Amino acid sequence: DGGITQSPKYLFRKEGQNVTLSCEQNLNHDAMYWYRQDPGQGLRLIYYSQIVNDFQKGDIAEGYSVSREKKESFPLTVTSAQKNPTAFYLCASSIEGAYTEAFFGQGTRLTVV
Amino acid sequence: AQSVTQPDIHITVSEGASLELRCNYSYGATPYLFWYVQSPGQGLQLLLKYFSGDTLVQGIKGFEAEFKRSQSSFNLRKPSVHWSDAAEYFCAVESTQGAQKLVFGQGTRLTINP
Repeated sequence: DGGITQSPKYLFRKEGQNVTLSCEQNLNHDAMYWYRQDPGQGLRLIYYSQIVNDFQKGDIAEGYSVSREKKESFPLTVTSAQKNPTAFYLCASSIEGAYTEAFFGQGTRLTVV
Repeated sequence: AQSVTQPDIHITVSEGASLELRCNYSYGATPYLFWYVQSPGQGLQLLLKYFSGDTLVQGIKGFEAEFKRSQSSFNLRKPSVHWSDAAEYFCAVESTQGAQKLVFGQGTRLTINP
């Protein structure tokens, strides 16, 4: 079945450590996105990529980094520079741009301990 | 800048009652509008979308939404809710500032009373 797979579902990190969240899609979508979700704040865009080897900062990119070396993969690294990393992270993809409908993964809950 | 407002943070309705979730958007041109639903700890699922044409759009799970340009609204409705409809609902608009992406409202959490 086609879809988006995020792993792991739960992740714990010590303060000062970098951690990478995985996002893989087999929908042959060009565009991929990372959102952060906090209670009562909806979804906020961290990074997005519309084509391999290219990506742009979203609204809250500070403390995060991404890569897009393959069409199907868009990993997100939460660096130690992110001051409040505990959140629910959602990856999404779409054919070309969000207006064609974005498909979401099941999310990764990151907790800093 | 495009923005989406969902005025109701939390709504409680009884099972079998009708439902309306409000969404207002700020956008200069004809917007592309979406409603997504999220069960606890899960990703988002698309309920319906509006691009153009008929202003009343039908979605999955018995939901519908009406686009009203004069009110800048895209409210979600369901005639009779089921306990399984309890979830969080997000309205979104496509943003074309920079690259195409979605701008989400803050969400409305729906609780169903038995």
